[in-house]
Amino acid sequence: DIQMTQSPPSLSASLGDRVTITCRASQSISTYVNWYQQKPGKAPNVLISAASNLLSGVPSRFSGTGSGTDFTLTINSLQPEDFATYYCQQSHSPPYSFGQGTKLEIK
Amino acid sequence: QIQLVQSGAEVKKPGASVKVSCKTYGYTFTRYGITWVRQAPGQGPEWMGWISPYNGNTNYARRVQGRVTMTTDTSTSTAYMELRNLKSDDTAVYYCARDYNGSGQYYFDYWGQGTPVAVSS
Repeated sequence: DIQMTQSPPSLSASLGDRVTITCRASQSISTYVNWYQQKPGKAPNVLISAASNLLSGVPSRFSGTGSGTDFTLTINSLQPEDFATYYCQQSHSPPYSFGQGTKLEIK
Repeated sequence: QIQLVQSGAEVKKPGASVKVSCKTYGYTFTRYGITWVRQAPGQGPEWMGWISPYNGNTNYARRVQGRVTMTTDTSTSTAYMELRNLKSDDTAVYYCARDYNGSGQYYFDYWGQGTPVAVSS
């Protein structure tokens, strides 16, 4: 099974900051990575598919890069609504595992 | 609009079974797979498995294989997930999600609101 390891587990940042979250896969998975945002008490919401494809309706301050085993999610100019937990997920092969999450908090 | 609406919270004793429903609206049910994901308190999501409403094909995670059954009722556009022989570490919020699979991408684009399941003696 493919393991997805995210870092850091938590992150404090201020409004307007730029932050980067990383995700490492236990084996090469090409660009089969999605990124989700989850707010307390809500289901995850997909932001980026195939490592770098920004989905419709997602603000352009979100971006994703990477291929193989290393992937990043970057959020430019943090807005109040961006403080949430972020998960990477591999869509290469089942079981379609998720990372353990990065909780983004206001400094 | 597209919605997935799940059944309500459940409290079960160890060894019991739970069956969660996921009624879908706003799209052709048989054209998209349904995935079930659970999330234990403070943990990341865990993929449990997938079912094709088109032909009933399933793929279950090894961790729940043998205890889980996923089914669909195309007449009501509803998916079901039954988990048997519940243990305390099955305590989690259970989500259904619609699969998007196309153009070289595969992700879960619409989610139910989640069904909390607590397992306690």
